[in-house]
Amino acid sequence: DGGITQSPKYLFRKEGQNVTLSCEQNLNHDAMYWYRQDPGQGLRLIYYSQIVNDFQKGDIAEGYSVSREKKESFPLTVTSAQKNPTAFYLCASSPRAAVNYGYTFGSGTRLTVV
Amino acid sequence: GESVGLHLPTLSVQEGDNSIINCAYSNSASDYFIWYKQESGKGPQFIIDIRSNMDKRQGQRVTVLLNKTVKHLSLQIAATQPGDSAVYFCAEMDTGRRALTFGSGTRLQVQP
Repeated sequence: DGGITQSPKYLFRKEGQNVTLSCEQNLNHDAMYWYRQDPGQGLRLIYYSQIVNDFQKGDIAEGYSVSREKKESFPLTVTSAQKNPTAFYLCASSPRAAVNYGYTFGSGTRLTVV
Repeated sequence: GESVGLHLPTLSVQEGDNSIINCAYSNSASDYFIWYKQESGKGPQFIIDIRSNMDKRQGQRVTVLLNKTVKHLSLQIAATQPGDSAVYFCAEMDTGRRALTFGSGTRLQVQP
């Protein structure tokens, strides 16, 4: 089955730690995206990548970092500089950024600071 | 600590009734719009999309209406079912950076 997989489903982070959220897709999509969702709110764009080895900051990139070394993978690192990281993180992909297509979303990772 | 989220607007309907969910978008240059459905603890699912050169598009039990004059988008669900209960988001395509911007969402509750 083609799809987009996020892992882990739940993640706990101690204060001051960096953690990395995984996002893998086998849809052969060029573009990938990371969104953050807080309770009762919409999705806010963190980072996006339109092609391998290239990515751009979204609206709330501070305290996060990404890499796009492979077409299939777009991991997100939540660094200790992110002061309020507890949220639901969603990864998405689309065939090409320059063409209007809906995104396919993963099932999300819920990150909690303990 | 965890931020306190805003309460989502909620639309409560009876099973079998039609539902209309509204969305105001922000960018008059946006050229593509999507409605997503999100169930609790899951990722959003694509429902229907519409391009800016259209004002109406129909799917199975769903219709999207676009009014570019007032920057308004609506989702109509016919014969609403309990399985339609979820949070619904509209999203617009930013023509500059080519990434979707999402609205804040509406919770649909279907009463049996």
